[in-house]
Amino acid sequence: GESVGLHLPTLSVQEGDNSIINCAYSNSASDYFIWYKQESGKGPQFIIDIRSNMDKRQGQRVTVLLNKTVKHLSLQIAATQPGDSAVYFCAVHENSGYALNFGKGTSLLVTP
Amino acid sequence: NAGVTQTPKFQVLKTGQSMTLQCAQDMNHNSMYWYRQDPGMGLRLIYYSASEGTTDKGEVPNGYNVSRLNKREFSLRLESAAPSQTSVYFCASSLVAGASQETQYFGPGTRLLVL
Repeated sequence: GESVGLHLPTLSVQEGDNSIINCAYSNSASDYFIWYKQESGKGPQFIIDIRSNMDKRQGQRVTVLLNKTVKHLSLQIAATQPGDSAVYFCAVHENSGYALNFGKGTSLLVTP
Repeated sequence: NAGVTQTPKFQVLKTGQSMTLQCAQDMNHNSMYWYRQDPGMGLRLIYYSASEGTTDKGEVPNGYNVSRLNKREFSLRLESAAPSQTSVYFCASSLVAGASQETQYFGPGTRLLVL
């Protein structure tokens, strides 16, 4: 099955700084990638996604970068705010099957 | 538009008891999923329903059964609860299963403790 991992289990940043959360995957047949945010006691919330035919996609204050050569994606959050404190998961879909494979999550802590 | 809803929010069971977790979505999605989330781990797929009338096993189906009651509702049943099933359970839905670029949307979760 898919192996999905995150490089750091926790990340602490100061308010206003930019945050970068990384995710590695192992299956080159992966074709769709999603970042989710999960606040304490809540379900995962969709942030941004990217298809395998793209290498960058931007949303509001968030950017996802995909490097298929090294099987790596990252989530960049600009001007991080206290409300960004949460656990962030990457989820990867292979080009066959129905399941998303989730990483274990990176906990982002934003300090004032 | 409530999205994905789950009941109950919390439940405590004794070993051997049974219960059903309910999930409903109002987004007219075809596909629905049940995941469990354990501390320090990502979400793991228990069962999914690609479309109304079909269900299939995911990564960790043992000890669970599911029913796709109609297009909106997908329930998860624990016939004889075990402490190893203590977890947070999330239901999700997507417009189409198995297609690339199909985002799954999650409910708020059910926190289950089995004593």
